[in-house]
Order: sequence, then structure tokens, then C-alpha cells
Amino acid sequence: AQKITQTQPGMFVQEKEAVTLDCTYDTSDQSYGLFWYKQPSSGEMIFLIYQGSYDEQNATEGRYSLNFQKARKSANLVISASQLGDSAMYFCAMREGAGRRALTFGSGTRLQVQP
Amino acid sequence: DVKVTQSSRYLVKRTGEKVFLECVQDMDHENMFWYRQDPGLGLRLIYFSYDVKMKEKGDIPEGYSVSREKKERFSLILESASTNQTSMYLCASSFLAGDPYEQYFGPGTRLTVT
Repeated sequence: AQKITQTQPGMFVQEKEAVTLDCTYDTSDQSYGLFWYKQPSSGEMIFLIYQGSYDEQNATEGRYSLNFQKARKSANLVISASQLGDSAMYFCAMREGAGRRALTFGSGTRLQVQP
Repeated sequence: DVKVTQSSRYLVKRTGEKVFLECVQDMDHENMFWYRQDPGLGLRLIYFSYDVKMKEKGDIPEGYSVSREKKERFSLILESASTNQTSMYLCASSFLAGDPYEQYFGPGTRLTVT
């Protein structure tokens, strides 16, 4: 079974509108962390936001927020007031348990912001 | 600012060649990682290291080896390159502990094996 599922290969959004990128995860661990990364066309991976499994509040970082629904095992990224510079690939990732250090990534969503 | 650098942005090698991809980080991170990125598959872990001379296999280690002789440097080795190893290779590093200990990535090496 896929550990991280991103069901939207591509998304379009108008500039200044909000957009939600979906991510569902699968784990039996009680302790885990969820991450979102952005990858512009230049190729570098940029860390956006983190949510720990025990965090009760949804994480927010500027225009990024993570809509964490633990019972549904979903961790959707919400980008408010989209900008042209938000056009990129977005990856959801999970680190399971305290012992495992590596991340498991989803297949990504390509977001295109239209003027 | 954390800096993770990789020795080449683009590399073209022939089938059967031995290929070295180098990664250096300057933040004294304990963990270092090598991922491979292919369209539609996201990033897949090849190997990681949590200390000098220590390494653990990731999800797709076949055809690869690694070396970590110094804390700041982590090398990925393709012993005999094959065309199915044509891909983007990303190195990352992180602290051992301390939430969220997110991973910092290098710019990537796009390897083509002909």
C-alpha cells in the first residue's frame, strides 16, 4: 500500500485565489511527522511546513497552512492568495516513528498559477 | 543558512562506468540521505547515514553503494552505471533529533547514462 498518496497530478489556480493540495497517508505508528516541500523548476526542494502527529493545532507558515485531519489520515496543504511564484511541484512526505529518520514521499502535485 | 551542495548539476556517463556523486553539508548534521527522483514516483530513498562510516539501505539500494568518511560528506557510488539509473539524484541532510528536524536538500544532480 502507498504510504503517501497525492491524487492530484496537476492543479490550476488563478492568481490571488486559495488552493488545496491533497495528501493522505498510511501508518500504524502513533508518532509521526508530516511535511510539505516545494520544488520549483530549478530543482531544489524547499521545506514549507511541518505537522507532528501529536500537534493539536494545524500548522501555519505565512500563506501556507496544513489542514490536519488525523482520523481521516489526511494532511492537505492550503496555499492562500496564490502568487505566480507558487507554480511548482509540491510533495507531501512522512517520517514514521521516532527511530526512522528518512522521509517517504508522495508522487507530487504540479501546481500552475495563472494570471 | 544551511547549505547542501552536490558536485555536479548535470552528468552524462556511459553504461558500465563507475560514477561518483558527492554531497557536502555545512551544518554539522548527523543524518545524510540520497534520494532518487523519477516522474510520477516522487522521491525514493536509496541510502542514508546517521554517523561517519554508518549507513543503512533505503528502499532502492540495488546497484548503488555509499561512503561517509567525514561527517560533512556523503558519496553515492554507481558501481557499474546502467541506463535505468538515468534519473535526478537528490542529497539531503538533517539533525539527528529535535522536532521537526526537517531535511535540507541539495540542488540535485541530473544523471544521464547512455
